[in-house]
Amino acid sequence: AQSVTQLDSQVPVFEEAPVELRCNYSSSVSVYLFWYVQYPNQGLQLLLKYLSGSTLVKGINGFEAEFNKSQTSFHLRKPSVHISDTAEYFCAVSVGGNQFYFGTGTSLTVIP
Amino acid sequence: GAVVSQHPSRVICKSGTSVKIECRSLDFQATTMFWYRQFPKQSLMLMATSNEGSKATYEQGVEKDKFLINHASLTLSTLTVTSAHPEDSSFYICSVNVGGGTEAFFGQGTRLTVV
Repeated sequence: AQSVTQLDSQVPVFEEAPVELRCNYSSSVSVYLFWYVQYPNQGLQLLLKYLSGSTLVKGINGFEAEFNKSQTSFHLRKPSVHISDTAEYFCAVSVGGNQFYFGTGTSLTVIP
Repeated sequence: GAVVSQHPSRVICKSGTSVKIECRSLDFQATTMFWYRQFPKQSLMLMATSNEGSKATYEQGVEKDKFLINHASLTLSTLTVTSAHPEDSSFYICSVNVGGGTEAFFGQGTRLTVV
């Protein structure tokens, strides 16, 4: 069975400061890894994904994430956040089939 | 990437009535679509897998008779909340997964409020 753990439910950070949102997963098979962002009353938008190859993945809006197989982690980072980054962030895994498994989400609040 | 359109974005209905939510894949033929439910400040919970031309597969604990799913074509899946009650109020999101699970595209979501 697969599971996704987002360790931080809420992360407040000052504008222009760096941020890291943590994600760990559990799976007995190889997985694809994703980070999605959700703004209020909207669907999910893909930030970035790891399928294979380089473990450092760059996404939209200046976000990046690093896949660490030994630690089964896929933490999301941004060196300098903006007010517009305030949103809910979800980590997800897919096991190559059709089903996605989501973490519980991290609410990022950027403080002016 | 695939564009998924969900309609309506918001709906308010009276308790006891039924509400239909549509999920359309605009540029991709989807034999499978997924329906999620999201409570405030919580993650997406998979409700059911919609299969074109056959019965939907429901997750454990989801009432098949309350949440009717129809996937009559490769571009349209509908979720009907029957005899809605206030506890059915939630955010419902559909998705289309492509590339053997290498990406998922989501509809804009539907905010259902039952009064």
